[in-house]
Amino acid sequence: QQQVKQSPQSLIVQKGGISIINCAYENTAFDYFPWYQQFPGKGPALLIAIRPDVSEKKEGRFTISFNKSAKQFSLHIMDSQPGDSATYFCAATGAMEYGNKLVFGAGTILRVKS
Amino acid sequence: NAGVTQTPKFQVLKTGQSMTLQCAQDMNHEYMSWYRQDPGMGLRLIHYSVGAGITDQGEVPNGYNVSRSTTEDFPLRLLSAAPSQTSVYFCASSYLTGTGRLKGGEQFFGPGTRLTVL
Repeated sequence: QQQVKQSPQSLIVQKGGISIINCAYENTAFDYFPWYQQFPGKGPALLIAIRPDVSEKKEGRFTISFNKSAKQFSLHIMDSQPGDSATYFCAATGAMEYGNKLVFGAGTILRVKS
Repeated sequence: NAGVTQTPKFQVLKTGQSMTLQCAQDMNHEYMSWYRQDPGMGLRLIHYSVGAGITDQGEVPNGYNVSRSTTEDFPLRLLSAAPSQTSVYFCASSYLTGTGRLKGGEQFFGPGTRLTVL
């Protein structure tokens, strides 16, 4: 059973549109939530990350929204571009046995149509 | 800096064969790890190491061995390959904080090894 549940599995968005990927978790030991971006044939790379004491974090066109009470967080890509086409993974890390581990969601394959 | 390097890029094995996937990093990171990536499963942690001589199991360790004799290298050994081990394998490394946590939640990934077991 995946500890971090990610949806949708795949997403097609028109150029200029907003891409939204959602994640949810149950384990309250998680206290840091990074997002990774992976292009075909490459390894994942850190995109943006958030702590649960912050409700939103923005870096350029990428925004993470965090709902601590619902244990949910999401990635919004504004003005989506064909170059954003990639697989996106949400992840979680935290205290105790999760301090030196990343737990990943299943991934979302994003395709931005030009 | 080369970052994290992995060899080979592709490998085909027959059931029962053994092999070692190589991983090296030149960033002096304390922490190194191995993941496998399967469709619909995300990235799952196989083994990890917080320093030379120290290794531990992740979520899916069965069928794999690791060792870490130097800071730079972290090879992954498949003892007797099975078709269920067909996957893409990623090595990653990172700094640890003073309390032993992944610094910034960031791991630096290698380019991956695509392994097929027939």
